[in-house]
Amino acid sequence: GDSVTQMEGPVTLSEEAFLTINCTYTATGYPSLFWYVQYPGEGLQLLLKATKADDKGSNKGFEATYRKETTSFHLEKGSVQVSDSAVYFCALRRGVSSGSARQLTFGSGTQLTVLP
Amino acid sequence: EAGVAQSPRYKIIEKRQSVAFWCNPISGHATLYWYQQILGQGPKLLIQFQNNGVVDDSQLPKDRFSAERLKGVDSTLKIQPAKLEDSAVYLCASSPRENSGRRRETQYFGPGTRLLVL
Repeated sequence: GDSVTQMEGPVTLSEEAFLTINCTYTATGYPSLFWYVQYPGEGLQLLLKATKADDKGSNKGFEATYRKETTSFHLEKGSVQVSDSAVYFCALRRGVSSGSARQLTFGSGTQLTVLP
Repeated sequence: EAGVAQSPRYKIIEKRQSVAFWCNPISGHATLYWYQQILGQGPKLLIQFQNNGVVDDSQLPKDRFSAERLKGVDSTLKIQPAKLEDSAVYLCASSPRENSGRRRETQYFGPGTRLLVL
């Protein structure tokens, strides 16, 4: 079945450091890929997404590129801020041609703490 | 545009008691999802509705969990009787019409209901 594997946390960085959170996936067909962010006490918010190979999703300085050859969708940010402290979830949604309900499959999440 | 609303935000019950959660999706969204998020894990889909019909409930523990969306708008998720392992955050999400194109497939999540079973 579909699965998402995320880099284990927690990750602690100093402000303005470079961030990478690794994400790899297993899925049939051509899934769409997502990064969601969960701030303390809040629900999940969509951070960015990519719907086909080589697409780059970007938002709020975060980027991720859909790499079909390595089945990866790593999250990066050049300079993190204290306000980026949250839990980040990688997720996939199988393509239309794969049939069946197109639910989101999530990774286990990576806790990021940015220190001033 | 109002987001996905959920209530209550927190609930503490004893094992073997019953509990119900309510969700009101974004107006006009045909698809509604209930997820269970156990501490330290990613959300896991329990059930998906398209309007008032069930699309997928393969991971719903049907001996104790039930969900309905009678009028195709808001939804309730019930646990009866609750077990200790049901302690989790229950997330509701909605999205525009299923299979309406990749551009419209984004799921919007509510704040969740945090359940503690003692």
